[in-house]
Amino acid sequence: DGGITQSPKYLFRKEGQNVTLSCEQNLNHDAMYWYRQDPGQGLRLIYYSQIVNDFQKGDIAEGYSVSREKKESFPLTVTSAQKNPTAFYLCASARDRVKLEPQHFGDGTRLSIL
Amino acid sequence: GENVEQHPSTLSVQEGDSAVIKCTYSDSASNYFPWYKQELGKRPQLIIDIRSNVGEKKDQRIAVTLNKTAKHFSLHITETQPEDSAVYFCAASRDNFNKFYFGSGTKLNVKP
Repeated sequence: DGGITQSPKYLFRKEGQNVTLSCEQNLNHDAMYWYRQDPGQGLRLIYYSQIVNDFQKGDIAEGYSVSREKKESFPLTVTSAQKNPTAFYLCASARDRVKLEPQHFGDGTRLSIL
Repeated sequence: GENVEQHPSTLSVQEGDSAVIKCTYSDSASNYFPWYKQELGKRPQLIIDIRSNVGEKKDQRIAVTLNKTAKHFSLHITETQPEDSAVYFCAASRDNFNKFYFGSGTKLNVKP
């Protein structure tokens, strides 16, 4: 979907470094999500946010942090505490938490360790 | 919380044959079940979804069936084509709780 933009497409992290992955949407969606995808595996939820200035931990939040200061933006920071950050990271958004709607995904960011 | 299991993990079919992928879920409150197709290195894209008030939904060569009693739902692809080759994910969610639980994915290979 052209409405969700993730950047950068590829990112390299040095030991002990924090890196931030960007996710922007212009779909006016309320909810936004971050998933991690490892080779041959499904999508695991890191964090999600249903409204501005509020977010909840997903199943694998340790070593990650997020913010939701604007409806359009939901950046993910991979901290140095995340010892195995190499993965494909997907951001998603959905319109309405009351009436179920499908999630729309960005193109992803592939993070690797230098 | 919800647990979604997906089978098989890989599926190889001959072009023109049908493919069936099955998912089970644990939370009886789940009432929305989307299916996504992900091509290599690309974003997952919604291909079909079903809500719990219906038992079956069809869109051309793709159909989804839902059995609420048994808590399982299936994706059916008929007359498969090589471009159907991808990884398919099922998911489950419910009203007033905009959190999705995904299956582990099925890699479908359609041989020409």
